[in-house]
Amino acid sequence: DTEVTQTPKHLVMGMTNKKSLKCEQHMGHRAMYWYKQKAKKPPELMFVYSYEKLSINESVPSRFSPECPNSSLLNLHLHALQPEDSALYLCASSQVTGSNQPQHFGDGTRLSIL
Amino acid sequence: SQQGEEDPQALSIQEGENATMNCSYKTSINNLQWYRQNSGRGLVHLILIRSNEREKHSGRLRVTLDTSKKSSSLLITASRAADTASYFCATLDQTGANNLFFGTGTRLTVIP
Repeated sequence: DTEVTQTPKHLVMGMTNKKSLKCEQHMGHRAMYWYKQKAKKPPELMFVYSYEKLSINESVPSRFSPECPNSSLLNLHLHALQPEDSALYLCASSQVTGSNQPQHFGDGTRLSIL
Repeated sequence: SQQGEEDPQALSIQEGENATMNCSYKTSINNLQWYRQNSGRGLVHLILIRSNEREKHSGRLRVTLDTSKKSSSLLITASRAADTASYFCATLDQTGANNLFFGTGTRLTVIP
């Protein structure tokens, strides 16, 4: 079992739908991350939150909208996605950004866009 | 791109043998980390080596770092079927962005 919990595990949605991915951690970490991972590829960073503030947006299209309601929760709101957005979306957390601290990953949400 | 390269892309060995994976990166780093990913799961942190360290051990894992060559290796000794997974190196750069950049990964298969 991982210490970072992501829901749902699987999501199938049409291109006109609006859905949200959720991530939760209770380790007291102040940095949280969203990654996108295509099959047989490494994770690619999308967003970084540090102390509940968005610190990095790696040129992600606006159809992905992150939200950090509090230090334990991270959401990713999805709207008008494209088929190429189908991927595994991973959430991670660490004590703080940078430093010599590892990141802890959830098991991801496998997203399929019809 | 700051993404690192790993080789081999895929490695298949018999249980009990040693597995060596190599990672090369492009920028000056703060540290280098290795992660394992089982199929359909998230990544699990294995070991972190700082830029001023040359070698580190953790159980059956041995990591080396050569900052002059911008390369690292992960050795898994006495492999087990449960070690079957993808292994990624990840670097924390010194540019100030403090982002992790993952290598391309090595898919390890350990045959019982």
